[in-house]
Amino acid sequence: DGGITQSPKYLFRKEGQNVTLSCEQNLNHDAMYWYRQDPGQGLRLIYYSQIVNDFQKGDIAEGYSVSREKKESFPLTVTSAQKNPTAFYLCASSMLGSTEAFFGQGTRLTVV
Amino acid sequence: AQSVTQLGSHVSVSEGALVLLRCNYSSSVPPYLFWYVQYPNQGLQLLLKYTTGATLVKGINGFEAEFKKSETSFHLTKPSAHMSDAAEYFCAVSDLAGNNRLAFGKGNQVVVIP
Repeated sequence: DGGITQSPKYLFRKEGQNVTLSCEQNLNHDAMYWYRQDPGQGLRLIYYSQIVNDFQKGDIAEGYSVSREKKESFPLTVTSAQKNPTAFYLCASSMLGSTEAFFGQGTRLTVV
Repeated sequence: AQSVTQLGSHVSVSEGALVLLRCNYSSSVPPYLFWYVQYPNQGLQLLLKYTTGATLVKGINGFEAEFKKSETSFHLTKPSAHMSDAAEYFCAVSDLAGNNRLAFGKGNQVVVIP
């Protein structure tokens, strides 16, 4: 089935550690996005990429990094510089020029 | 920059009653507007969208929304609430035609009372 797969669903991290969240899509979409969701805050854009080997910062990029080496994959690394990383992270993708974004099921990251 | 305002983080509605969720947007260009639904610990699912054309948009699960440019609004309604409508609902606006760099509202958590 076509779709967006995020893994793992739940992730625990110790303070000071980097952690990478996976996002893979088989929809042949050009654009991919990472959002962070906190209770009562809606979704905020972290990074987005419209083509391979290119990406742009969103509204809250500090403490995060991404890569786009393949069209299908857009991993997000939460670094130790992110002071409050506990949140629900959502990956999305879309065709360029389309008005619809498709979302993965999310990864819940908890710092312990 | 585009932005969305959703008032009332929690909305309670009786089963069978009207569901009304308000969304007001700010945009310097003609907006593309969206409503998404999220069930616990899941991703977002598109309910409906407005791009161009007819201002009354029908979506899945009996929901509809009306784009009112003069009021900069895109309120979501459903005539009769069902228990399965309990979820969180987000209004969003895109900043350019076909650009899914979405700006989201803070969401409405809908509780359906039997």
